[in-house]
Amino acid sequence: AQSVSQHNHHVILSEAASLELGCNYSYGGTVNLFWYVQYPGQHLQLLLKYFSGDPLVKGIKGFEAEFIKSKFSFNLRKPSVQWSDTAEYFCAVNVAGTYKYIFGTGTRLKVLA
Amino acid sequence: GAVVSQHPSWVICKSGTSVKIECRSLDFQATTMFWYRQFPKQSLMLMATSNEGSKATYEQGVEKDKFLINHASLTLSTLTVTSAHPEDSSFYICSATGWGSQGPVNTEAFFGQGTRLTVV
Repeated sequence: AQSVSQHNHHVILSEAASLELGCNYSYGGTVNLFWYVQYPGQHLQLLLKYFSGDPLVKGIKGFEAEFIKSKFSFNLRKPSVQWSDTAEYFCAVNVAGTYKYIFGTGTRLKVLA
Repeated sequence: GAVVSQHPSWVICKSGTSVKIECRSLDFQATTMFWYRQFPKQSLMLMATSNEGSKATYEQGVEKDKFLINHASLTLSTLTVTSAHPEDSSFYICSATGWGSQGPVNTEAFFGQGTRLTVV
């Protein structure tokens, strides 16, 4: 069965620090990869997605992620975080051709002003 | 992007009663809707998939008689938690895919804001 692992459950950073959140998935076939963010009291919002092509994808709000197929990883990065990035971040995959999403357990990020 | 609205945002009910949660696609036809459940500090777990006009497909371990899903129209799916108990307290989230005015909206999932259910 497919699964998604997020290694960091809680991350605390100061403003301007760099961010990298790990995400690994287990599935041998073709997958689509996503990062979602959930701000307190709000919807899940799509940060970025990877379907094919350039493995380095850029999303909204300065986020980017790199798909490394050999490592089954899709880590999220941001060079300089802001206080407004405080939120919970979910990595998700779906098997290409299906619409079912498998989510990681989420990483709660707190950015100190 | 496509908008999915979920109602209510939070609900408190007494043990033994039933609660209905609505999930609406506001600007596209949701041919497929998904219902997830999120326990505190855990991930979103898919409960069921519903296609408009068809019976829902439930994931292993999800009681279909307890979590009734109806997807009778292209813009509305409902989840009814029957005879709710405190262990059903959770955060329920729907998502939808389908067709908008400019083609399919199924390359990503669009989520409702979630419903926090507390059973006392």
